[in-house]
Amino acid sequence: QKEVEQNSGPLSVPEGAIASLNCTYSDRGSQSFFWYRQYSGKSPELIMSIYSNGDKEDGRFTAQLNKASQYVSLLIRDSQPSDSATYLCAVGGSQGNLIFGKGTKLSVKP
Amino acid sequence: GAVVSQHPSWVICKSGTSVKIECRSLDFQATTMFWYRQFPKQSLMLMATSNEGSKATYEQGVEKDKFLINHASLTLSTLTVTSAHPEDSSFYICSAIEYYEQYFGPGTRLTVT
Repeated sequence: QKEVEQNSGPLSVPEGAIASLNCTYSDRGSQSFFWYRQYSGKSPELIMSIYSNGDKEDGRFTAQLNKASQYVSLLIRDSQPSDSATYLCAVGGSQGNLIFGKGTKLSVKP
Repeated sequence: GAVVSQHPSWVICKSGTSVKIECRSLDFQATTMFWYRQFPKQSLMLMATSNEGSKATYEQGVEKDKFLINHASLTLSTLTVTSAHPEDSSFYICSAIEYYEQYFGPGTRLTVT
């Protein structure tokens, strides 16, 4: 069974710092990878998608993918208190569905 | 990004009754939609894949006769929880794919008393 692993946290960083979130996955054949942000009581919101090895940047967010190590990460630069949420790593499944990790709770302290 | 809506956003029902949840893609057509369930402090778990014009595909352990899914059009999928019990209380979230990326509805919080 395909698995996605994340450190549950909480990860606490001061405002303005870089937050680093990590994720590993079990299926070496996986091709698509996503980071979602979920605020308490809300549904997930897509932040980034990444499909090939290397870095992908979008504003303050950078996703990094290393398929050889089966590792995905998300960096958040200049972290803001509004970034405090649970960050879900997801891997694309064979049916087009997503397989989620349990999420890492991020807390950005003012 | 694409917009997916759900209705209702929350519902309280008595044990033994049925509840229908609607999921709509507002600005795109979705041949496939997904239904997830999330219990408190847990991640999203896929319940079923809903395909327009055909039967849904259920994940192992999900009762197809209890969770009825109908995907009658390219913009609407419904999930009916039949004979609901307190253990069905959860956050139900649908999603749809546009351009290979999956967008989620706002979710429906179901409480069965």
